[in-house]
Amino acid sequence: KAGVTQTPRYLIKTRGQQVTLSCSPISGHRSVSWYQQTPGQGLQFLFEYFSETQRNKGNFPGRFSGRQFSNSRSEMNVSTLELGDSALYLCASGGEPLPNNEQFFGPGTRLTVL
Amino acid sequence: QKEVEQDPGPLSVPEGAIVSLNCTYSNSAFQYFMWYRQYSRKGPELLMYTYSSGNKEDGRFTAQVDKSSKYISLFIRDSQPSDSATYLCAMIDNYGQNFVFGPGTRLSVLP
Repeated sequence: KAGVTQTPRYLIKTRGQQVTLSCSPISGHRSVSWYQQTPGQGLQFLFEYFSETQRNKGNFPGRFSGRQFSNSRSEMNVSTLELGDSALYLCASGGEPLPNNEQFFGPGTRLTVL
Repeated sequence: QKEVEQDPGPLSVPEGAIVSLNCTYSNSAFQYFMWYRQYSRKGPELLMYTYSSGNKEDGRFTAQVDKSSKYISLFIRDSQPSDSATYLCAMIDNYGQNFVFGPGTRLSVLP
């Protein structure tokens, strides 16, 4: 079974731009969660989608948004990028919605904002 | 005080040692507890997923949860150099609303 895939793996943007990251879950998984990982703040939960609906949201500004498609693939968008948005963005998939699932993480997209 | 505190490390042990990794938390709403292992430049990998207080064993790994003390542990027996990684504890409430990770402990197992 193929794992969680994320594209692109690396991205460089400048302040003020926007970015869209993509996540393809494990086949059959309907829950996709997004996380931001930085050296200073560690791993932080952004939001979770299940069957195309956002179920949970972490404590991030509205510049961070996402969506999920009918095939469970998910995208995350960050608008008006700030230097502090430089991070590793991880997505994870699970068969059931949080908290009732074991999540499997993708390799992440490393975003650098200049 | 942070919601989840974790031994900061780094921790260096000789091969074959028993490793104890610990997290404490303050929010009694947390009901599900997880341990992840993260190798450099990789996404976290789920090691253990537990709900109730008590012990759960999987091979060389044992997860221990004490909800009354708000304390969780991960024990690694017969540690191997391949166990060298950052270990993250994580916990979530019953509604999936509050999902928090510990800051991680970097472990090095020396051959």
